[in-house]
Amino acid sequence: DVKVTQSSRYLVKRTGEKVFLECVQDMDHENMFWYRQDPGLGLRLIYFSYDVKMKEKGDIPEGYSVSREKKERFSLILESASTNQTSMYLCASRVRRDTQYFGPGTRLTVL
Amino acid sequence: GQQLNQSPQSMFIQEGEDVSMNCTSSSIFNTWLWYKQDPGEGPVLLIALYKAGELTSNGRLTAQFGITRKDSFLNISASIPSDVGIYFCAGQPPAGAGSYQLTFGKGTKLSVIP
Repeated sequence: DVKVTQSSRYLVKRTGEKVFLECVQDMDHENMFWYRQDPGLGLRLIYFSYDVKMKEKGDIPEGYSVSREKKERFSLILESASTNQTSMYLCASRVRRDTQYFGPGTRLTVL
Repeated sequence: GQQLNQSPQSMFIQEGEDVSMNCTSSSIFNTWLWYKQDPGEGPVLLIALYKAGELTSNGRLTAQFGITRKDSFLNISASIPSDVGIYFCAGQPPAGAGSYQLTFGKGTKLSVIP
């Protein structure tokens, strides 16, 4: 079975804090993605990576950065968390353009 | 950009009834995916479709890749309470600009009345 794990299920941070969300996949997938999901807005792509050290902006990259130093790990970084970044964050991975698998999600609250 | 219209937005059905939902697009896709999401969880892949006209089953679930490559449907037969959740469709565009990104429907919220 494909497994995508995320470092935390729930996270509470304060405004201005630096936040790291970690995602790990165990299937040697090339492509990895970070989304946020908000009621009424659906899934929105923040960043994706099609290979190690490669990254591309998605639809809403502002306020976020990413890091992919190893193939299995893709990190999302909020340099200075703000309340409008309170959301459900979902990581996903896939081989090339094939089927995409999601992690369990991290519910982030920024106070 | 591409958009997916998923309908219905929500459904209330009696346990045991069959369910049907669909997604349509203004442009073609090479792959259609169907996911289910429970509250507070990540989407779980139910069915993947790779060829126009393909009909695939997974237990009580059946999905089809439309022959025009612009639509797909998902059927659930004999619904049970654990079918409750939000069902998403997603399409993978042909190779080219934006082909790394899936396009997602807004979801169908399914409620099952025991």
